[in-house]
Amino acid sequence: GENVEQHPSTLSVQEGDSAVIKCTYSDSASNYFPWYKQELGKGPQLIIDIRSNVGEKKDQRIAVTLNKTAKHFSLHITETQPEDSAVYFCAASYHLSYFGTGTSLTVIP
Amino acid sequence: TAGITQAPTSQILAAGRSMTLRCTQDMRHNAMYWYRQDLGLGLRLIHYSNTAGTTGKGEVPDGYSVSRANTDDFPLTLASAVPSQTSVYFCASSPASGYNEQFFGPGTRLTVL
Repeated sequence: GENVEQHPSTLSVQEGDSAVIKCTYSDSASNYFPWYKQELGKGPQLIIDIRSNVGEKKDQRIAVTLNKTAKHFSLHITETQPEDSAVYFCAASYHLSYFGTGTSLTVIP
Repeated sequence: TAGITQAPTSQILAAGRSMTLRCTQDMRHNAMYWYRQDLGLGLRLIHYSNTAGTTGKGEVPDGYSVSRANTDDFPLTLASAVPSQTSVYFCASSPASGYNEQFFGPGTRLTVL
């Protein structure tokens, strides 16, 4: 089955700096790569996704890149704000979604 | 719209007892999922259903069962709870399996003593 690894497990950045979270996957059949944000006490919520026919996608301060050859994808958050503090999960999906172990991001004001 | 709801919000359960976690969605999504979330392990799939009347096993199905009698409801049953089933349980749904965003419920925090 699919194996998704996510790094780092914790990340602290100063407000206004950039944050990068990286994931690798093992199953070359995976073709959909969503990123979820989970705030304390809530369920995860999709923030951005990328499909295997696209190398990069951007939505305001958030961007995701995908390298299918190397089987890795990354989340980039620019100009971080305190409200970006949360746990972020990557996932790789073909039929089912397999999630990374999460990154706890803290943005220090 | 309510989206996806779960009940109860939290529960303390004695080992050996049975319990059903409830999940209901009003988005008419075909696919539904149950995950457990444990610190350091992320979200792991327990069971899923691609459409009403069908179910499948995920990564960690042992000790759990599900049913999908209709589109909206997807209950998760623990027949005889054990302490290792202490976790936060999330139900999710998507329009179809695989290539779609999943919408998550607020979760059920279960403690088995």
